[in-house]
Amino acid sequence: EVQLLESGGGLVQPGGSLRLSCAASGFTFSSYAMSWVRQAPGEGLKWVSAISGSGGTTYYADSVKGRFTISRDNSRNTLSLQMNGLKVEDTAVYYCAKATAVSGRSTRSDYWGQGTLVTVSS
Amino acid sequence: QSVLTQSPSVSGTPGQRVTISCSGSRSSVGTNNVNWYQQFPGTAPKLLIYGDNQRPSGVPDRFSGSKSGTSASLAITGLQSEDEADYYCAAWDDSLNGAVFGGGTQLTVL
Repeated sequence: EVQLLESGGGLVQPGGSLRLSCAASGFTFSSYAMSWVRQAPGEGLKWVSAISGSGGTTYYADSVKGRFTISRDNSRNTLSLQMNGLKVEDTAVYYCAKATAVSGRSTRSDYWGQGTLVTVSS
Repeated sequence: QSVLTQSPSVSGTPGQRVTISCSGSRSSVGTNNVNWYQQFPGTAPKLLIYGDNQRPSGVPDRFSGSKSGTSASLAITGLQSEDEADYYCAAWDDSLNGAVFGGGTQLTVL
């Protein structure tokens, strides 16, 4: 059974940092790209970042480029999102999602985590 | 503002057919596959349609997808109360070199 379990969310002040993790199980982790998608309270889904199965290729939304870093540890089946320079507008539930191919250039995600809430506020 | 445009809401009565549209650009919908997601309040999105018009295993055939040019559509026939949810389209955008979602459409079953 595929499982994705996010952790690391919480309350942080503007300008602060936070590291999200997504523990994956039930599939060959390195064979699939992974992505982060966020949803602000009462708002729609917004794509944040994606990473190829090998970790060699990464993609970012313009709104987070230069502030967020996506990475993966295929030996530990873990996806991470390092978030620096956080802004109030980064407040959202962050979901990790499994792609159906090794390439990160896809919006087809067949499994999603339950999400972790990040609140940026002073 | 979302790169893919969806109408904010749509409604229908049980048994009716409704469609949800998704308008993009040549670099997104016009070039890449469109995927659709269904989301209930407080839960993670669920893949509903992939590759423009393919249904994952377990998705009822009441749900169907289509695409023409830079626009895609999700159709739901035989509307049921349990279909009341938010629906999102998504596609890769070659110009942005990133993924884009529609703003979402809230379906209300009257």
